[in-house]
Amino acid sequence: ILNVEQSPQSLHVQEGDSTNFTCSFPSSNFYALHWYRWETAKSPEALFVMTLNGDEKKKGRISATLNTKEGYSYLYIKGSQPEDSATYLCAFRRTYKYIFGTGTRLKVLA
Amino acid sequence: EPEVTQTPSHQVTQMGQEVILRCVPISNHLYFYWYRQILGQKVEFLVSFYNNEISEKSEIFDDQFSVERPDGSNFTLKIRSTKLEDSAMYFCASSDVHNEQFFGPGTRLTVL
Repeated sequence: ILNVEQSPQSLHVQEGDSTNFTCSFPSSNFYALHWYRWETAKSPEALFVMTLNGDEKKKGRISATLNTKEGYSYLYIKGSQPEDSATYLCAFRRTYKYIFGTGTRLKVLA
Repeated sequence: EPEVTQTPSHQVTQMGQEVILRCVPISNHLYFYWYRQILGQKVEFLVSFYNNEISEKSEIFDDQFSVERPDGSNFTLKIRSTKLEDSAMYFCASSDVHNEQFFGPGTRLTVL
């Protein structure tokens, strides 16, 4: 059974704090790892598509790293802002099938 | 900015009825997907579609489900005989060759 785990499930941080969350996935037959940002009442928005072991990607204050050998990816947010409040989802891709984690719900307090 | 659209936003149906959920993917995208999220649970992959055929489907996507791209723009998900447990939010997504997926706003299906 393919399983993708995300931790923590939820997180409250103060504005200006940096934070990170983890996505764990099967290390075999890896195709890609996707990160999404999902705000309430909106649809998931793609952040990163990561394909190579050791990949590091950055978009503004958000960055992600990938370790396919051990099966994990970290998402980092530097200097969190209230508008970063959302659920952050990862999805593991094997061929054309995608397995999602449960997400990390981030609340940034002003 | 191009976006994926879905209709209807909310569909209420009686158990045993057929429903068709509609999606208009981004026009130059080649890969299409359906997902669902039952309230309080994970987003679940249903099916991926490329070149007018199913690329991969999950265990959930049984004979009650079918997908179609009837013309150059629409991508539909049909559930032949709905069950109570089909109640969920259904998301369509599309991607180009780089595989960054763009999601639609979802259709909330309620089966009574």
